[in-house]
Amino acid sequence: GEDVEQSLFLSVREGDSSVINCTYTDSSSTYLYWYKQEPGAGLQLLTYIFSNMDMKQDQRLTVLLNKKDKHLSLRIADTQTGDSAIYFCAESYGGATNKLIFGTGTLLAVQP
Amino acid sequence: NAGVTQTPKFRVLKTGQSMTLLCAQDMNHEYMYWYRQDPGMGLRLIHYSVGEGTTAKGEVPDGYNVSRLKKQNFLLGLESAAPSQTSVYFCASSYSSSYNEQFFGPGTRLTVL
Repeated sequence: GEDVEQSLFLSVREGDSSVINCTYTDSSSTYLYWYKQEPGAGLQLLTYIFSNMDMKQDQRLTVLLNKKDKHLSLRIADTQTGDSAIYFCAESYGGATNKLIFGTGTLLAVQP
Repeated sequence: NAGVTQTPKFRVLKTGQSMTLLCAQDMNHEYMYWYRQDPGMGLRLIHYSVGEGTTAKGEVPDGYNVSRLKKQNFLLGLESAAPSQTSVYFCASSYSSSYNEQFFGPGTRLTVL
């Protein structure tokens, strides 16, 4: 079955770079996503990458996709305390049903 | 434009009681979803709907029922609550396209004693 894996916790110092990793299973996924969940809130889409791309950069965010290894990463440059949150990667699944399979989430703690 | 709203925000039930969670969206989205979030397990899909009048089972449907009588509303029912259903429940909606940005509600925290 489908399984999207992430490490559970990452701690960094303010100003450092953060790298959150994810492995996914469905090589036919068209899009892969990173969602952010702040405390007590729902998830919000942070960024996404189309499956025929290797890299996407969006301000402080860099997404890298290695399709051969089914590995996705999110790099946050100059990490700020406001970046503290849970980050979920997700892969699309199921064609017309538009279902997403979410990873377990990585809690990013930014130390001042 | 309120986006996705959920009611109630919090609820405490006793084992065996029933309740309905309401999700509403004002973005004219075709697709709607119910997830539960448990520590260390990410989000798991309970049920989803690809349009008004349609529903389908997700990954963990047992103990839940859903209805989509109106396009903007998606209801999640617990007929006989169990402690294992203690969780945070999220509703989401999206357009029907291959690019599937899902818009999430703020969540409902349910405790079953």
